[in-house]
Amino acid sequence: GQNIDQPTEMTATEGAIVQINCTYQTSGFNGLFWYQQHAGEAPTFLSYNVLDGLEEKGRFSSFLSRSKGYSYLLLKELQMKDSASYLCAALNAGNNRKLIWGLGTSLAVNP
Amino acid sequence: DAGITQSPRYKITETGRQVTLMCHQTWSHSYMFWYRQDLGHGLRLIYYSAAADITDKGEVPDGYVVSRSKTENFPLTLESATRSQTSVYFCASGTDPGQRSYEQYFGPGTRLTVT
Repeated sequence: GQNIDQPTEMTATEGAIVQINCTYQTSGFNGLFWYQQHAGEAPTFLSYNVLDGLEEKGRFSSFLSRSKGYSYLLLKELQMKDSASYLCAALNAGNNRKLIWGLGTSLAVNP
Repeated sequence: DAGITQSPRYKITETGRQVTLMCHQTWSHSYMFWYRQDLGHGLRLIYYSAAADITDKGEVPDGYVVSRSKTENFPLTLESATRSQTSVYFCASGTDPGQRSYEQYFGPGTRLTVT
């Protein structure tokens, strides 16, 4: 079957580092997305990993291991505005180009 | 300004009425998508389009109709609205998913309530 798993909720402290994990099972795999979604707003694109390894974009980094079906989003120097839901989505290979979405990880950053 | 817009942003309608949600993007992206987002279900794909005049069903297409006569527009129609279609609807657009540089961007969403 096809499935995305990520923790439902996480809590962290302002200024700290947090890692949000995502595991996936798909019949075919092209790459993995991370999105940020604040309450009542649209998802905002963070990263798209196709190759194994770590990609860094400022305070946010995303890692992919295709052999393990595993990804994580690393947030450094946490700020209060980082409190949001983080969505992991796998792009299915093949003609349908469909994204398989996780339910999201709700991150609360406390002062 | 470049981007992706949706209209209306909020809509209340009655059961049985036809409703059309509009989506417009200015990036000339080839791919466009319609999702609904409900608590406990996350984002679910309703329909998508790879190019003008090419559309395909997603995960939950029943009760919805789409068209794409122009690259920039991708309207979603609820033929006869039901209460189960109360949701937040997001339109998205993106480049070719086969490319390593693929990105997908979301519109601001339409909050639809069916009474």
